[in-house]
Amino acid sequence: NAGVMQNPRHLVRRRGQEARLRCSPMKGHSHVYWYRQLPEEGLKFMVYLQKENIIDESGMPKERFSAEFPKEGPSILRIQQVVRGDSAAYFCASSQQRGSNQPQHFGDGTRLSIL
Amino acid sequence: QQPVQSPQAVILREGEDAVINCSSSKALYSVHWYRQKHGEAPVFLMILLKGGEQKGHDKISASFNEKKQQSSLYLTASQLSYSGTYFCGTSDYGGSQGNLIFGKGTKLSVKP
Repeated sequence: NAGVMQNPRHLVRRRGQEARLRCSPMKGHSHVYWYRQLPEEGLKFMVYLQKENIIDESGMPKERFSAEFPKEGPSILRIQQVVRGDSAAYFCASSQQRGSNQPQHFGDGTRLSIL
Repeated sequence: QQPVQSPQAVILREGEDAVINCSSSKALYSVHWYRQKHGEAPVFLMILLKGGEQKGHDKISASFNEKKQQSSLYLTASQLSYSGTYFCGTSDYGGSQGNLIFGKGTKLSVKP
C-alpha cells in the first residue's frame, strides 16, 4: 500500500496518560501535515513538518503537544497528560513538495478517545 | 479565517445536479476540494489556483473566482457514490507554507 499510513486507527487513553500517533507518508513524500477533526467539524491544521524540521506549528497548542518527523521512521504526534478535550480524530496528510499548490493526501486517521 | 461553505447540507436524487460554494474573507492563493465519507480519510478531488481557472474530472468540476474570493464545486448527474461531506481548504497569500484552512463542510446525500 503506497498510501499514507497512520496507526493506530483507534486509541483509548485515560486522563493523564500519553498518546502517540504515528504517520508514514506516501512513498516519495517528505512533507507531513497533522490535522485534528471534531465530529461534524472541518479539519483544523496543527503542524507542518519536513524531514527533521518543523516548518509551521502555528496550529498546535503550546503545552502538552509535540510533533517530530525524524530522518528515519514515521512522523509522531505526541500528546502528554491527555484530557477529555483531546478526544478527536487526528489526520495526517503528506505532499511531495512544499507549497499550497501541492495536493495533500490523507491517511485514514487515528480516533483518540479519552476516558 | 475559516472559509464559509454553503449549503451546509443537500439531498439529491440520482442524476440531479448540485453546487457547493466556498467563500473567504481573505484573498486566496489556492482552493483545494476534498470529499470525506463517514469514518474514512478525506479524498483529494482537485486544486484551483489564482487566476479564475476551472477544472473538471468526469462529472465533477470547479471554478475559482479570485476577485470574489470564492470557489464553487459542481456535481452533475450525481451518482450514489458522490454521497459524503465535501470540504474546501484554502490558503492565502502571505507566504503560506502549505497548511490549509478548511471549511466546516457540506454534507451531500444522494438517494436512489
